[in-house]
Amino acid sequence: GAGVSQTPSNKVTEKGKYVELRCDPISGHTALYWYRQSLGQGPEFLIYFQGTGAADDSGLPNDRFFAVRPEGSVSTLKIQRTERGDSAVYLCASSLRGAGGYTDTQYFGPGTRLTVL
Amino acid sequence: AQSVTQLGSHVSVSEGALVLLRCNYSSSVPPYLFWYVQYPNQGLQLLLKYTSAATLVKGINGFEAEFKKSETSFHLTKPSAHMSDAAEYFCAVSSFSGNTPLVFGKGTRLSVIA
Repeated sequence: GAGVSQTPSNKVTEKGKYVELRCDPISGHTALYWYRQSLGQGPEFLIYFQGTGAADDSGLPNDRFFAVRPEGSVSTLKIQRTERGDSAVYLCASSLRGAGGYTDTQYFGPGTRLTVL
Repeated sequence: AQSVTQLGSHVSVSEGALVLLRCNYSSSVPPYLFWYVQYPNQGLQLLLKYTSAATLVKGINGFEAEFKKSETSFHLTKPSAHMSDAAEYFCAVSSFSGNTPLVFGKGTRLSVIA
């Protein structure tokens, strides 16, 4: 079946601009996660959705970052007033239940590479 | 708080040789441990996971890992490297009881030499 998809695959923007990154999880998966992967680093947790609600947003670095999942499926990560330090690969993952919060197997998308000039 | 340390940012082995990628974790609650592989321009793929059942875990592509509580380690091994194993490997920790997100190590890049 189809895996997790993310669009766009690449996004180049200018400092100060607003961007939206989209994630389509595997059909039927109730849990959705966003991570950020900077060059030479492992993925860092940003936010976790269980259904439509954000169950844990403790990883969002500041209030310029916001994510929604209005119908419990597709999610959008929104970044306002982008900064050069926001440049990274943004990964999305989904899991069937999110049981125990995070121990359910997560399936990752290919990521969106964001470059802020 | 939980953390993962992967020793060696780059490991190089000859084709057919043993692969050993090291991972040590820190956790105040019983951990769940994972190994993911990332091929260029692709998402992370789960290789295997430890969830408090058998301490020796077998995964895909001939990889396995052993949970050693006394050493706080979860090293990844494969008896014989193949060229297709060249990729970035990430160890990660979470916890059922702690209900915490996956915490990843910085990754180890595996090169396989013909």
